[in-house]
Amino acid sequence: SQKIEQNSEALNIQEGKTATLTCNYTNYSPAYLQWYRQDPGRGPVFLLLIRENEKEKRKERLKVTFDTTLKQSLFHITASQPADSATYLCALRNYNAGNMLTFGGGTRLMVKP
Amino acid sequence: GAVVSQHPSWVICKSGTSVKIECRSLDFQATTMFWYRQFPKQSLMLMATSNEGSKATYEQGVEKDKFLINHASLTLSTLTVTSAHPEDSSFYICSARESRDYGYTFGSGTRLTVV
Repeated sequence: SQKIEQNSEALNIQEGKTATLTCNYTNYSPAYLQWYRQDPGRGPVFLLLIRENEKEKRKERLKVTFDTTLKQSLFHITASQPADSATYLCALRNYNAGNMLTFGGGTRLMVKP
Repeated sequence: GAVVSQHPSWVICKSGTSVKIECRSLDFQATTMFWYRQFPKQSLMLMATSNEGSKATYEQGVEKDKFLINHASLTLSTLTVTSAHPEDSSFYICSARESRDYGYTFGSGTRLTVV
């Protein structure tokens, strides 16, 4: 069966450290993978998109890697801040699935001062 | 950037009544919009794909007669929860995409509580 799994429900780290979140998928052939941030009671906000032929993408303090052999994406937040505390969702679009996105369960990140 | 406006942000209704949720793309045209439902501490589950000028495509297990979707223009899709029951209480979110090179833009969500 198809699965998108994010490594943990919750991740607690100290301010200033690098947060690393994992997204693994099985039985998908994604055209691309995306990462979103969701705050409580709000809709997700798009952060980064990485295509199947890209290994790494960066945006300010964010970095995403995509390994189609391992079927895994890593999401890094460097120099983390308490304001980075939120739930982070990975999502992918499968080939032949139109524009449909499928989401992982999310990881709740808590950055402590 | 692209903005999707969703209204209302929250609604409380009595069991058996219907509720309409609107989703508008403010600065771009969206031939396709998506409706999701999210229960507490769970991820987003796609309910249906709304297509401008044609019928919506519903995911397995989603009752099309209960969740009516209308996408009458390139900037507006509506979701009507008909004969709402307490188990329909959830967070409903719409989304659309401005371009292929960008992610999806989500509305701010609608918290529906059926009492």
